[in-house]
Amino acid sequence: NAGVTQTPKFQVLKTGQSMTLQCAQDMNHEYMSWYRQDPGMGLRLIHYSVGAGITDQGEVPNGYNVSRSTTEDFPLRLLSAAPSQTSVYFCASSYIAGRGPDTQYFGPGTRLTVL
Amino acid sequence: GENVEQHPSTLSVQEGDSAVIKCTYSDSASNYFPWYKQELGKRPQLIIDIRSNVGEKKDQRIAVTLNKTAKHFSLHITETQPEDSAVYFCAATGTASKLTFGTGTRLQVTL
Repeated sequence: NAGVTQTPKFQVLKTGQSMTLQCAQDMNHEYMSWYRQDPGMGLRLIHYSVGAGITDQGEVPNGYNVSRSTTEDFPLRLLSAAPSQTSVYFCASSYIAGRGPDTQYFGPGTRLTVL
Repeated sequence: GENVEQHPSTLSVQEGDSAVIKCTYSDSASNYFPWYKQELGKRPQLIIDIRSNVGEKKDQRIAVTLNKTAKHFSLHITETQPEDSAVYFCAATGTASKLTFGTGTRLQVTL
């Protein structure tokens, strides 16, 4: 099992550019999510999905889009990059236990810099 | 939505001493409380979790306690070692299917 994979590992964008961060998991997890991590602010939820075709907003969704066409993949799109989106992005996946996510497995992260 | 507060933000202990990190949550319906450890430049990894039907859980030197009435839970690390130095995050799952994280505690274990 590769677990949760993310590409790219590093990315530099100019303000206004768009790009897609890729996330894939091979554990057949229903739940997938995207977090951003900024110094002193912990991990903040951007978007999440409880299954293929179902997505919902997290705490900080503005400026980001997601889709979930398959169980395995959950790409995050930056529509028009801004310097405030400079951050480390983590994708995570898990089974669903009860009405929420179970143990989250994180990908290695993508370090994004927007100039 | 759920709000999770975590204290302290930094904690320095001597090797062999105990460390305690505390978190409070706002959503009384929260039922899952994991703790993650993140080493510098690495991804967060689960170290222990507890569900709302249990008051305490132990795994070797690590324990978590949960007080549902007061809506707080704590991480206890005994006999700390230098490799315990990292950032620790608590989290809670509220009524929506979301996991909300605390802001983290940087633990430094000194020799």
